[in-house]
Amino acid sequence: DAGVIQSPRHEVTEMGQEVTLRCKPISGHDYLFWYRQTMMRGLELLIYFNNNVPIDDSGMPEDRFSAKMPNASFSTLKIQPSEPRDSAVYFCASSGFNYGYTFGSGTRLTVV
Amino acid sequence: GEDVEQSLFLSVREGDSSVINCTYTDSSSTYLYWYKQEPGAGLQLLTYIFSNMDMKQDQRLTVLLNKKDKHLSLRIADTQTGDSAIYFCAEILKGSQGNLIFGKGTKLSVKP
Repeated sequence: DAGVIQSPRHEVTEMGQEVTLRCKPISGHDYLFWYRQTMMRGLELLIYFNNNVPIDDSGMPEDRFSAKMPNASFSTLKIQPSEPRDSAVYFCASSGFNYGYTFGSGTRLTVV
Repeated sequence: GEDVEQSLFLSVREGDSSVINCTYTDSSSTYLYWYKQEPGAGLQLLTYIFSNMDMKQDQRLTVLLNKKDKHLSLRIADTQTGDSAIYFCAEILKGSQGNLIFGKGTKLSVKP
């Protein structure tokens, strides 16, 4: 099993541009989570899905953020337009039995 | 509330034991977890304990759970420099549909 796969690993973009982060969860896991990690705020849950359906998006900071899960093997987190304060490491995680999460390696986003 | 609290820093000498402590607020938690995050990497599940257990041992790791005081600890025996990382405590609330509540993490520094 290749684990949770995120792409890209690093993204540098200019303010105002659209950014799309991608995640492939572990096959058979029915929960998928998007987190953001910064030095100041730590690990923040943005949104999570169960069986491809968004369950709680209360952590999504603004309307500029959107997430989709069109099927069980793929999810995207989109920021449009991006701002410098969106710079962070974004993690995707999936879980199944006993809810133990498996995290991806993260996407380090820098908005300049 | 749903806060999971940890001290932010711990420094130990190589070969000593490390004890990382965590308090949680929800007595209905079913599973409690310890995650490790090395620099530039995602969170890795170290171990977990079911709420009806008091202790779990896995090689150098010992997890102690005191449900009365809502206190969880992780003991690392014979701490090595490779154990230097951030350790996150997390709980899953009964009926929360798989949403883990994370602490802010304890940064463990191991001095040679």
